[in-house]
Amino acid sequence: DGGITQSPKYLFRKEGQNVTLSCEQNLNHDAMYWYRQDPGQGLRLIYYSQIVNDFQKGDIAEGYSVSREKKESFPLTVTSAQKNPTAFYLCASSMLGGGETQYFGPGTRLLVL
Amino acid sequence: QKEVEQNSGPLSVPEGAIASLNCTYSDRGSQSFFWYRQYSGKSPELIMSIYSNGDKEDGRFTAQLNKASQYVSLLIRDSQPSDSATYLCAVNRDNYGQNFVFGPGTRLSVLP
Repeated sequence: DGGITQSPKYLFRKEGQNVTLSCEQNLNHDAMYWYRQDPGQGLRLIYYSQIVNDFQKGDIAEGYSVSREKKESFPLTVTSAQKNPTAFYLCASSMLGGGETQYFGPGTRLLVL
Repeated sequence: QKEVEQNSGPLSVPEGAIASLNCTYSDRGSQSFFWYRQYSGKSPELIMSIYSNGDKEDGRFTAQLNKASQYVSLLIRDSQPSDSATYLCAVNRDNYGQNFVFGPGTRLSVLP
């Protein structure tokens, strides 16, 4: 089965703690993305990557970091510098090129203890 | 002005009726347009993509694009209670996938 997996489904963060969200895809997509969704709001882009070992900041990158060591994997770390991390985090992937559809994983809900 | 605007709703329609969802965008350079459906607590799933002016039909769904008016819409015919969800409009502003901009979504409620 081809698709995008995210883990964990729920994640709890303590004050001052860094946490890492996993995203894996077996669609052979070159591009991967991380979005944040807050209640009643649209998706906002955190980071994206078009190729291994390269990634770009999106609109709300502060307090987050990513890596892209493998084509299939694009983990997101929510650092302690992100003061309001409670949100629904969505990973997506797509082929490269104009107009390509982005496909989403099931999401990770991050809550602060 | 927000880049992609949608009426937040909720939009309520009776079962079997046509639901009409609207989206306007500000960047005239936008190239591609997408409608996603998102059930509560779930991730968005693609319904339709449209790239050229006019209508595009897929089953009960029709997407309409008017680049001159910077307007894209989604019609759902014979609405079913299972269509009750939030519908997100996404606009790809150029040829690079990272320039997807999402609207806030319209919540649709189909009443049995």
